[in-house]
Amino acid sequence: QKEVEQNSGPLSVPEGAIASLNCTYSDRGSQSFFWYRQYSGKSPELIMFIYSNGDKEDGRFTAQLNKASQYVSLLIRDSQPSDSATYLCAGEGSQGNLIFGKGTKLSVKP
Amino acid sequence: KAGVTQTPRYLIKTRGQQVTLSCSPISGHRSVSWYQQTPGQGLQFLFEYFSETQRNKGNFPGRFSGRQFSNSRSEMNVSTLELGDSALYLCASSLVDYRGSEQYFGPGTRLTVT
Repeated sequence: QKEVEQNSGPLSVPEGAIASLNCTYSDRGSQSFFWYRQYSGKSPELIMFIYSNGDKEDGRFTAQLNKASQYVSLLIRDSQPSDSATYLCAGEGSQGNLIFGKGTKLSVKP
Repeated sequence: KAGVTQTPRYLIKTRGQQVTLSCSPISGHRSVSWYQQTPGQGLQFLFEYFSETQRNKGNFPGRFSGRQFSNSRSEMNVSTLELGDSALYLCASSLVDYRGSEQYFGPGTRLTVT
């Protein structure tokens, strides 16, 4: 059973701090990973995807992938209260589907 | 560009009934995936359709079925509803599949089975 694991949180950080969200996956064959943000009562929205080892930056967001350690992370710099949401990590499944972790709830305190 | 639309947004059904949910993907997107989201299990993959063919299926019983039409719109059907089927059902569309292209989610259909 291929799995994606996340700490459910809640993760609480002060406004302006760096929030670090982590994810591990079981399938060494997985090549691509996605981070989604889901506000309460809303559907997930894609933040970033990463295919290659290393870092990928997009504005305040940085995704990091370490295939040897089967580890994916998302860093949010200068966290804002509007970043408070559940963050879902997803890895590719065997054929055209995504396997999601259960999400980490982030709370950014003003 | 219009996003993914799902209808209805809310639904209340009785155990034993059946239900059909509809999803219209973003224009030009040919892949539609369906997910079930519950507080306990999170987001779980149901199935994916591409060019009117089911290309992949998750670990759900046969009561869950779907189809895709030539205009890429998709429907999901659940027969003989059980209390445990109460969930948020999400569909997501992408150009071909999620690889190399992003998957965009619709607002979901909240199904309550009583």
